[in-house]
Amino acid sequence: DAGVTQSPTHLIKTRGQQVTLRCSPKSGHDTVSWYQQALGQGPQFIFQYYEEEERQRGNFPDRFSGHQFPNYSSELNVNALLLGDSALYLCASSLGGDTYEQYFGPGTRLTVT
Amino acid sequence: AQKVTQAQTEISVVEKEDVTLDCVYETRDTTYYLFWYKQPPSGELVFLIRRNSFDEQNEISGRYSWNFQKSTSSFNFTITASQVVDSAVYFCALRPNTGKLIFGQGTTLQVKP
Repeated sequence: DAGVTQSPTHLIKTRGQQVTLRCSPKSGHDTVSWYQQALGQGPQFIFQYYEEEERQRGNFPDRFSGHQFPNYSSELNVNALLLGDSALYLCASSLGGDTYEQYFGPGTRLTVT
Repeated sequence: AQKVTQAQTEISVVEKEDVTLDCVYETRDTTYYLFWYKQPPSGELVFLIRRNSFDEQNEISGRYSWNFQKSTSSFNFTITASQVVDSAVYFCALRPNTGKLIFGQGTTLQVKP
């Protein structure tokens, strides 16, 4: 039973660039949530995708956008990268649009220089 | 306001000592869930426990135990006879009615041999 997978593991980008992170949910799950975890902080909720639509959003600017595909995998896109976007980006999957039982992936470490 | 506070930033103990990690939460919702996650150096958040707001029974799982007290809005986590493998960052999280998971800042636990 495959767990949540994320790619890439690490990424280095330059300010102003755009980045796409990918997530495949745990087998049987249909909901994907994205979190940003800055160094030394707790994860912050970015948004959640269910039935290929953004269902909920945290306090993040429009530079952060996402997509969910028919196979339930998801992408997180960040435009016009800032130094402050450097963080660990975590993907979590769950069932039925809820966050009652989430399984987290290993994360993508993004460094913006 | 919905908030989770983990006042202890770092805790260092010697193996076999007992250690308690504190968690205080704020919410006006009557129905909510509380969680504890462990984050080892690999980065992946590992689920430890979930508690709903109507179940104040304490829980014990091996060397782990949890004390939920609604009267003080606390959900503390105790590790008995700590081991080096317990070294990690521990997060307490709140899931209010909105469904968005709210994490505390985390407590870094270092268990020395």
